[in-house]
Amino acid sequence: QKEVEQNSGPLSVPEGAIASLNCTYSDRGSQSFFWYRQYSGKSPELIMSIYSNGDKEDGRFTAQLNKASQYVSLLIRDSQPSDSATYLCAVKPAGGGNKLTFGTGTQLKVEL
Amino acid sequence: GAVVSQHPSRVICKSGTSVKIECRSLDFQATTMFWYRQFPKQSLMLMATSNEGSKATYEQGVEKDKFLINHASLTLSTLTVTSAHPEDSSFYICSASAGVEAYGYTFGSGTRLTVV
Repeated sequence: QKEVEQNSGPLSVPEGAIASLNCTYSDRGSQSFFWYRQYSGKSPELIMSIYSNGDKEDGRFTAQLNKASQYVSLLIRDSQPSDSATYLCAVKPAGGGNKLTFGTGTQLKVEL
Repeated sequence: GAVVSQHPSRVICKSGTSVKIECRSLDFQATTMFWYRQFPKQSLMLMATSNEGSKATYEQGVEKDKFLINHASLTLSTLTVTSAHPEDSSFYICSASAGVEAYGYTFGSGTRLTVV
């Protein structure tokens, strides 16, 4: 079992729709969770971090964390073509020092 | 805040030569820096973790004598790819942590290395 799992996609959504990206993790003791966006040929950029169960909203983005079920998700409202990218889920495992474990990413395509 | 500068953005070198990549935290002190490698259409692979003033910790399978990491100050870490070969061609990205969760982990812009 991979430590952090994501569906590779591509996930295609029409412009204006809600895109839902999911991530599951294996280390139950993990405390910190991050979503990064990576455009092709570029380095990842941090979208959101979440540490507590529930929802965290920032503009069009909402991160959802459920530690009991060991999943974290990212919702993108009013999806735009510029949101087309690969979204990486990252988890800081318990006892792993400062390093993050990344999923393989989900490719999102927002179509006109 | 939390800006990480990485240079060069692209480098082409001949097989057998060495290449140095710099990673600087511009507006915070990076207690820890991470070096990743990413092959096309694959996810990030952590190569090593460096803490200021101490030896880097390499991930399993990463040759420490080939990928030399120096973290001499709280704002600068360097990765030197020694005796580069075509199979070392990849996208190398650094990431820095100030040790404060609020800053998250900020990535540099990456270095595209091509060994010919």
